[in-house]
Amino acid sequence: DAGVIQSPRHEVTEMGQEVTLRCKPISGHNSLFWYRQTMMRGLELLIYFNNNVPIDDSGMPEDRFSAKMPNASFSTLKIQPSEPRDSAVYFCASSGEGVRGQPQHFGDGTRLSIL
Amino acid sequence: KQEVTQIPAALSVPEGENLVLNCSFTDSAIYNLQWFRQDPGKGLTSLLLIQSSQREQTSGRLNASLDKSSGRSTLYIAASQPGDSATYLCAVSGNQFYFGTGTSLTVIP
Repeated sequence: DAGVIQSPRHEVTEMGQEVTLRCKPISGHNSLFWYRQTMMRGLELLIYFNNNVPIDDSGMPEDRFSAKMPNASFSTLKIQPSEPRDSAVYFCASSGEGVRGQPQHFGDGTRLSIL
Repeated sequence: KQEVTQIPAALSVPEGENLVLNCSFTDSAIYNLQWFRQDPGKGLTSLLLIQSSQREQTSGRLNASLDKSSGRSTLYIAASQPGDSATYLCAVSGNQFYFGTGTSLTVIP
């Protein structure tokens, strides 16, 4: 059984560049979550989708961040332009029932470094 | 806003010892509470999920309890092993998910 797949695993880029993170959720899961993890702030929910529709994006830090889910098997998180303070580990997770009932399954994350 | 606290931040125990990790939350209006472990450089692995109507869940050497009215959950690990060394996080779900900052556990052989 394939788990949540994220790419790339590591990304190093210069400030001002566009960054695109990708996620493939577990087949059959209808909810997808994007998180950011830092030492200072811990794990923060950025946005989540239910049936490909964004439900809550209140955690998206600012307009430089955008997320899309064009179909049930793919999502992207884009940062444009990137800044050094965006450096963090970004996780994608999926579950079968939004926030209400089913366990979340996490990918291994993308470690992002903005120079 | 929901706040989730985990104490202690770090814990070191000898192999074989039973231990308890604590999680507290400020808003009792939750759907469920979930315990995860995170290994270095990895994502989170779900251990146990307790629905708001439940009091506890068990899986192998792990037992999680939930007291929603007092805003508390505990994760009990029996007969700890070096392989249990990891960071343990709890998360509560209301209108979204809120995570604690975790307890870093080291089990010494």
